[in-house]
Amino acid sequence: DAGVTQSPTHLIKTRGQQVTLRCSPKSGHDTVSWYQQALGQGPQFIFQYYEEEERQRGNFPDRFSGHQFPNYSSELNVNALLLGDSALYLCASSLPGTTYEQYFGPGTRLTVT
Amino acid sequence: EDQVTQSPEALRLQEGESSSLNCSYTVSGLRGLFWYRQDPGKGPEFLFTLYSAGEEKEKERLKATLTKKESFLHITAPKPEDSATYLCAVHDVYNTDKLIFGTGTRLQVFP
Repeated sequence: DAGVTQSPTHLIKTRGQQVTLRCSPKSGHDTVSWYQQALGQGPQFIFQYYEEEERQRGNFPDRFSGHQFPNYSSELNVNALLLGDSALYLCASSLPGTTYEQYFGPGTRLTVT
Repeated sequence: EDQVTQSPEALRLQEGESSSLNCSYTVSGLRGLFWYRQDPGKGPEFLFTLYSAGEEKEKERLKATLTKKESFLHITAPKPEDSATYLCAVHDVYNTDKLIFGTGTRLQVFP
């Protein structure tokens, strides 16, 4: 049973550029959440997608946007990258219609120079 | 505002030396409390979910307990492979679509 997968593993971008991160949920899961984790901190909620719609959003600017596809996979887009966007970006998936137990992927390490 | 505080920030143990990690929380209504283990550069690995005060869950050398204001993760006779950061998160019944995480406890177990 495949767990949550994310791509790419690592990414280096220049300030001002745009980036797209991808996530495939655990088999049988239809809800995808995205988190940002800075070094030494706990993950911070960015937003969640269910039935191809953004259901809730954390305290992140509009530069952060996302999408969910009919097969439940998801993308996170970040525009106009800032140095402070450097972090580990985590995708989590959960059981249909609930967010009770979220299973995380390995993350994408984004470095902005 | 929902808040999760974990202590200590870091803990060094000798192999076999049992201890406990603390997670105190403030939420409007607790739907669930979650413990995760995270290895460096990896995503968090799900360990336990606790839903109500008095509930306990066990897995190998780990035991999680829950009261109305805090949760403890007890580690019995730890081994070096238990070294990791342990994260606590809460799920607020009034804010159901996100987990609110603490900053974690970084555990090192020495042989």
